[in-house]
Amino acid sequence: EVQLVQSGAEVKKPGESLKISCKGSGYSFTSYWIGWVRQMPGKGLEWMGIIYPGDSDTRYSPSFQGQVTISADKSISTAYLQWSSLKASDTAMYYCARRIAADGRFDMWGQGTMVTVSS
Amino acid sequence: SSELTQDPAVSVALGQTVRITCQGDSLRSYYASWYQQKPGQAPVLVIYGKNNRPSGIPDRFSGSSSGNTASLTITGAQAEDEADYYCTSRDSSGNHPVIFGGGTKLTVL
Repeated sequence: EVQLVQSGAEVKKPGESLKISCKGSGYSFTSYWIGWVRQMPGKGLEWMGIIYPGDSDTRYSPSFQGQVTISADKSISTAYLQWSSLKASDTAMYYCARRIAADGRFDMWGQGTMVTVSS
Repeated sequence: SSELTQDPAVSVALGQTVRITCQGDSLRSYYASWYQQKPGQAPVLVIYGKNNRPSGIPDRFSGSSSGNTASLTITGAQAEDEADYYCTSRDSSGNHPVIFGGGTKLTVL
């Protein structure tokens, strides 16, 4: 079964660092782009960036460039999204999703990781 | 332009047909993909390409495109179709591999 399983919910304080994960299984992890998508409470989906685990080619949305780091460890079929210094405005649900390069669709989504940043 | 525009809310009577639209310059070059998101759940792909449905998506969902507008049509809307719907596309300017529409909340009356 093809699936993406994300790490669990996090509660952090402003200024703290965080790295959340997305583990792929049931397919060749290195052959598909993985995207990260933010959804703030009550709001729509926002594309943050994508990574190709095969060679770690990474593209960021201009809105998130410099704010987060996307990486992948192909040896364990896992992609990551990390922050060096969280802000309250980073409170959101974060989804990873597998992207089909040919037409750009996200055909498989993780269950989401809720990140809460509060003092 | 790197924007996709959707109506914030649309309603449909049970069993009737509804069309949800997505507008943007990139849609002149690329097909849209459509996602359904129910409260508390991850998005699910419902339509992609010219008019393709992933396995498990009912055939009452269909897609079309004309000019700068992509449409998702639900023929015979069911109560379980009440959800938020998002379109995505590539950006024809080449600056953004992915662009999302703002989403449409569908209410089934």
